[in-house]
Amino acid sequence: EVQLVESGGGLVQPGRSLRLSCTASGFTFGDYAMSWVRQAPGKGLEWVGFIRSKAYGGTTEYAASVKGRFTISRDDSKSIAYLQMNSLKTEDTAVYYCTRVMGSSWSPFDYWGQGTLVTVSS
Amino acid sequence: DIQMTQSPSSLSASVGDRVTITCQASQDISNYLNWYQQKPGKAPKLLIYDASNLETGVPSRFSGSGSGTDFTFTISSLQPEDIATYYCQQYDNLPPTFGQGTKVEIK
Repeated sequence: EVQLVESGGGLVQPGRSLRLSCTASGFTFGDYAMSWVRQAPGKGLEWVGFIRSKAYGGTTEYAASVKGRFTISRDDSKSIAYLQMNSLKTEDTAVYYCTRVMGSSWSPFDYWGQGTLVTVSS
Repeated sequence: DIQMTQSPSSLSASVGDRVTITCQASQDISNYLNWYQQKPGKAPKLLIYDASNLETGVPSRFSGSGSGTDFTFTISSLQPEDIATYYCQQYDNLPPTFGQGTKVEIK
């Protein structure tokens, strides 16, 4: 059974950093691209970014709203994807979901974690 | 970025009703269109990918159609467990973008 478990969320002050982890199980992690999607309280879904599998270069893409502040990485030996968030802003407050990417592109997102809440506030 | 416009924003229907949601893309996205269901307090779930392909394990009362800029999502017979918000999402171009969601309630 495919499982994605996010961790690392919490309350953080504006301008500070936070790193989220996504621990995967039930599939060959290294074969898949992984993506992060967020949802601000009471709002819709917003794609944050993704990392390709090593077979496709392991490169990353980001939403304009987080580019230069957020970094996605992966450790295939541990089946973990990371989202390093720097220079956090109040508008980054959201539930952050880790997703598996179906196929060789950047979507669809066929499995989702339960989400972890990040609150950016002073 | 490609804009995705869903309608309606919300709807109320009776159990057994046929429910239809539309999604319009701001430019041609071929069939690179997915539909997700999000129940309150839960993560989204993929229902339909590539406009019309039913994800494994998803009940056959859910279906999708369309190509280009206009897409339709249908629940053929609404069930109480279908209460949720439904999102369309395109992935023809980066960044992948979502519609604003359609909240489905039971009348």
